[in-house]
Amino acid sequence: DAGVIQSPRHEVTEMGQEVTLRCKPISGHDYLFWYRQTMMRGLELLIYFNNNVPIDDSGMPEDRFSAKMPNASFSTLKIQPSEPRDSAVYFCASNPAAEDTQYFGPGTRLTVL
Amino acid sequence: AQRVTQPEKLLSVFKGAPVELKCNYSYSGSPELFWYVQYSRQRLQLLLRHISRESIKGFTADLNKGETSFHLKKPFAQEEDSAMYYCPPRYFGNEKLTFGTGTRLTIIP
Repeated sequence: DAGVIQSPRHEVTEMGQEVTLRCKPISGHDYLFWYRQTMMRGLELLIYFNNNVPIDDSGMPEDRFSAKMPNASFSTLKIQPSEPRDSAVYFCASNPAAEDTQYFGPGTRLTVL
Repeated sequence: AQRVTQPEKLLSVFKGAPVELKCNYSYSGSPELFWYVQYSRQRLQLLLRHISRESIKGFTADLNKGETSFHLKKPFAQEEDSAMYYCPPRYFGNEKLTFGTGTRLTIIP
């Protein structure tokens, strides 16, 4: 198993552009989490899904951010329009049940110029 | 609000010296505590969880409910311990982990 897969691994874009990050969770995992990692704020939970349904999006910073999970094997995190302060590493993680270990993807390093 | 505090963002320790990474959580019932680690160029991964009461890679962590702490300890640091460490609590009835700023540990050869 390749584990949680994220793409792209690196993204450089200009301010105002739309950015879409992608995640494929481990097969059979019911939970999917999106995190953002910065030096100042550490690792923050943005949103998480259970069985493709968003459960808690209180961590989404503002309306420019949106996340979807159209099926059990795919999720996207979209930023439109992007701003320089969105520059960070974005992680996706999944786990099979509520009380299990979370498995993280390799992350997407986003740079907004 | 459910919070976790790791007071040291950066910690440097000489190889062979004891290591202690501090972690304090806000009291809200009886959370389950974890330590996650991210080695250079590797994914964030679980190191240990308090309910397992096991030692992983020489690390142990004891939950102190009175002090609401879950400090990570190792008697003799090794160079391969250099990494980023997080201690997210998970509160009963809540599926999410509350990560914080973490501690970057550097072992000096």
